[in-house]
Amino acid sequence: QLQLQESGPGLVKPSETLSLTCTVSGGSISSSSYYWGWIRQPPGKGLEWIGSIYYSGSTYYNPSLKSRVTISVDTSKNQFSLKLSSVTAADTAVYYCARHIRYNWNENWFDPWGQGTLVTVSS
Amino acid sequence: SYELTQPPSVSVSPGQTARITCSGDALPKQYAYWYQQKPGQAPVLVIYKDSERPSGIPERFSGSSSGTAVTLTISGVQAEDEADYYCQSADSSGDYVFGTGTKVTVL
Repeated sequence: QLQLQESGPGLVKPSETLSLTCTVSGGSISSSSYYWGWIRQPPGKGLEWIGSIYYSGSTYYNPSLKSRVTISVDTSKNQFSLKLSSVTAADTAVYYCARHIRYNWNENWFDPWGQGTLVTVSS
Repeated sequence: SYELTQPPSVSVSPGQTARITCSGDALPKQYAYWYQQKPGQAPVLVIYKDSERPSGIPERFSGSSSGTAVTLTISGVQAEDEADYYCQSADSSGDYVFGTGTKVTVL
């Protein structure tokens, strides 16, 4: 059974860089047809896709965050990571990692998801 | 920016049917997906490709599509179905978008 687990600091100062890692277990991050994605949810609000990566390193980013986001993959550790720079209070959210199933240009969904980790931006 | 619009809330009595709609201009060309999120938990996929149900999801969950709208139907609602529900799809550029979310309350 595939499982994903987020890890990283729960508190980040404004203007600094948020860094999170997602560890995949029960399956290989190098599987074809699968990308790996990050999604966030501000407290009491809805979901926002941040970006996705293929095991080869190919990435897709949300245009609204693209200038501040970097997603990378480490196949040797079965992990992928998120970096979000120049954070503000608006970046306070629960950050989820998820397997991004991509079979076609119009067949894309996220399953399963990690449990999520709350990151608070505050001085 | 592209939006997927859902009603903020739906209330239903146990055993009745709940229907949640999701509207978006790109839905005729893009499949839609539905996620259930209970308080303090991660979202769980309940419908994929408009109407397919993942293994382990009860048969009372179904999905349909018509033009620029998709619908999640929960037949014979149970107390455990009380949750937030989000649709998800993509815009014309292939960027992934989630709906505004619907809180389902079981009376």
